[in-house]
Amino acid sequence: DVKVTQSSRYLVKRTGEKVFLECVQDMDHENMFWYRQDPGLGLRLIYFSYDVKMKEKGDIPEGYSVSREKKERFSLILESASTNQTSMYLCASSSGQNSYGYTFGSGTRLTVV
Amino acid sequence: AQSVTQPDIHITVSEGASLELRCNYSYGATPYLFWYVQSPGQGLQLLLKYFSGDTLVQGIKGFEAEFKRSQSSFNLRKPSVHWSDAAEYFCAVGGGGYQKVTFGTGTKLQVIP
Repeated sequence: DVKVTQSSRYLVKRTGEKVFLECVQDMDHENMFWYRQDPGLGLRLIYFSYDVKMKEKGDIPEGYSVSREKKERFSLILESASTNQTSMYLCASSSGQNSYGYTFGSGTRLTVV
Repeated sequence: AQSVTQPDIHITVSEGASLELRCNYSYGATPYLFWYVQSPGQGLQLLLKYFSGDTLVQGIKGFEAEFKRSQSSFNLRKPSVHWSDAAEYFCAVGGGGYQKVTFGTGTKLQVIP
């Protein structure tokens, strides 16, 4: 069964901490994405990557960075967590240039206090 | 800019009744259209997608959707709803190549006995 695995289901961090959210896929997908999901706002794209060591900004990249050192792993980094980054974070992957069926992870619910 | 509108935030239907969830999109060329479902506490799962060809597409779990270019709509339907269909449903639009996918804000479906 193909999977996108997010390392933590729930996370509580303090304001100002550096936070790492990890995502691993076992489908050999080229493309990986980080979204945040907030009530009434749907899913908003933070960053995405189409290849190892490659990254592109999404719609709301401010306050975030990403790392993709290996094809299967895509990390989201909050350099200095703030309370307005409390949210559900969803990782997704897809294969190929025109295949837009995403496979999503189960999400990480991050609370910044 | 591309966008998706899901005009219904919440919908309640009786088990066994038919269902239609509305989705309107804005896109400057031929769109790639998707419906995803999110069960409570889970990531999103792809229900169906439309790229080209027959405007009525079949998906998993007995769902179907119809692409109507003249109305810029891609409504999701199911003839008879089951209690297990209670979830949040997201419509999404994207383009070819590496163009990103934009999600709607979601419609939460409640199923009553």
